Amino acid sequence: AQKITQTQPGMFVQEKEAVTLDCTYDTSDQSYGLFWYKQPSSGEMIFLIYQGSYDEQNATEGRYSLNFQKARKSANLVISASQLGDSAMYFCAMRVFWTNAGKSTFGDGTTLTVKP
Amino acid sequence: EAQVTQNPRYLITVTGKKLTVTCSQNMNHEYMSWYRQDPGLGLRQIYYSMNVEVTDKGDVPEGYKVSRKEKRNFPLILESPSPNQTSLYFCASSPKGQGVLPDTQYFGPGTRLTVL
Repeated sequence: AQKITQTQPGMFVQEKEAVTLDCTYDTSDQSYGLFWYKQPSSGEMIFLIYQGSYDEQNATEGRYSLNFQKARKSANLVISASQLGDSAMYFCAMRVFWTNAGKSTFGDGTTLTVKP
Repeated sequence: EAQVTQNPRYLITVTGKKLTVTCSQNMNHEYMSWYRQDPGLGLRQIYYSMNVEVTDKGDVPEGYKVSRKEKRNFPLILESPSPNQTSLYFCASSPKGQGVLPDTQYFGPGTRLTVL
């Protein structure tokens, strides 16, 4: 079974500062992908960044980077230079491949508020 | 434009009245899923499909049915809705993963269902 844990229900950050959103995962599979999604107050789910379990380098997409520590089973999202538009709910998710490719597990989310 | 569409976007109904929420994708994706989102609980997978006529239960399948007769469509059926199925529902699709790793999901805009 897969499990995603996001321990920060809510986070605050000052505009232009960096923030780290925590995500730990649990799986016995070797082949899996880790994803971060953003959900603004309008409700849609927006894909941010992806990390494969065999990737040796941390993923980066613009101001988003994923701090992947495989031995610790953590996949933290780092947002640099926060903007007011970053205020949203953020979800960490995992999918495995070989054993059950359609199965997807999400964390409970972290609400990020960016202060001006 | 590549997209996942859901209809209706909003629905208020009464207990026991059968309803169907449609989901369609135009990206020729193999995988499709249904999720429900409740406050504080993140997204929970209801059912998923890995191809036409291939479906499987997610974490919360009770009270729901699905079918995948065509690759592009994956309707969610509530045969006898109850108030505890009041929720925000998302459909998502994804292609088969590259190599051994899963690919990202594309989400529909969501359907807000209220069962009185």
